[in-house]
Amino acid sequence: NAGVTQTPKFRILKIGQSMTLQCTQDMNHNYMYWYRQDPGMGLKLIYYSVGAGITDKGEVPNGYNVSRSTTEDFPLRLELAAPSQTSVYFCASSFTNRGTEAFFGQGTRLTVV
Amino acid sequence: AQTVTQSQPEMSVQEAETVTLSCTYDTSESDYYLFWYKQPPSRQMILVIRQEAYKQQNATENRFSVNFQKAAKSFSLKISDSQLGDAAMYFCAYRSAGGGATNKLIFGTGTLLAVQP
Repeated sequence: NAGVTQTPKFRILKIGQSMTLQCTQDMNHNYMYWYRQDPGMGLKLIYYSVGAGITDKGEVPNGYNVSRSTTEDFPLRLELAAPSQTSVYFCASSFTNRGTEAFFGQGTRLTVV
Repeated sequence: AQTVTQSQPEMSVQEAETVTLSCTYDTSESDYYLFWYKQPPSRQMILVIRQEAYKQQNATENRFSVNFQKAAKSFSLKISDSQLGDAAMYFCAYRSAGGGATNKLIFGTGTLLAVQP
């Protein structure tokens, strides 16, 4: 009964370093999303995917990359980390059906120093 | 593009009292879904309630109910008999009923609810 699993939960990066945030879901959901949550700003969509092999940009894609080689996995890559990428990152997934809710991972708190 | 606005950054309610959280949205679509999510300090996002735009009847889930005014594009959440465990950040969210790339979940900025004992 894992749902959406994100790793790591916390990470500190130095400016210019790179890292990959992992996300996997075991519910056979078509849709997967990456959001970032900044204080007082709600959740902003970074990238999303409507199925394996298909990804698209959200509102704030700059500085990030994604891939979706399988239905289960949707990793988020940060290249050349910057202080502006300090945030809490959430991965989510949902079925294609419009009315179904998204299920969220527990988030990754990333600090870039 | 669709937008979701929550105009109350913070709210406070006494235990056992009722509180209403506001949400407005902007869309040109006629078919869509609206959600309220709760985020406690654990950071876990939990679905509280959902509303289909084509349904006139307001959704209810135990102590949680919504006031959905489609013409006014308003979707408020009412919490009755507030409990200490209701203290959390609450997010309003919109999802288009269209398929494919339009089927994104768009969030408001959230309302932080404090429950006073």
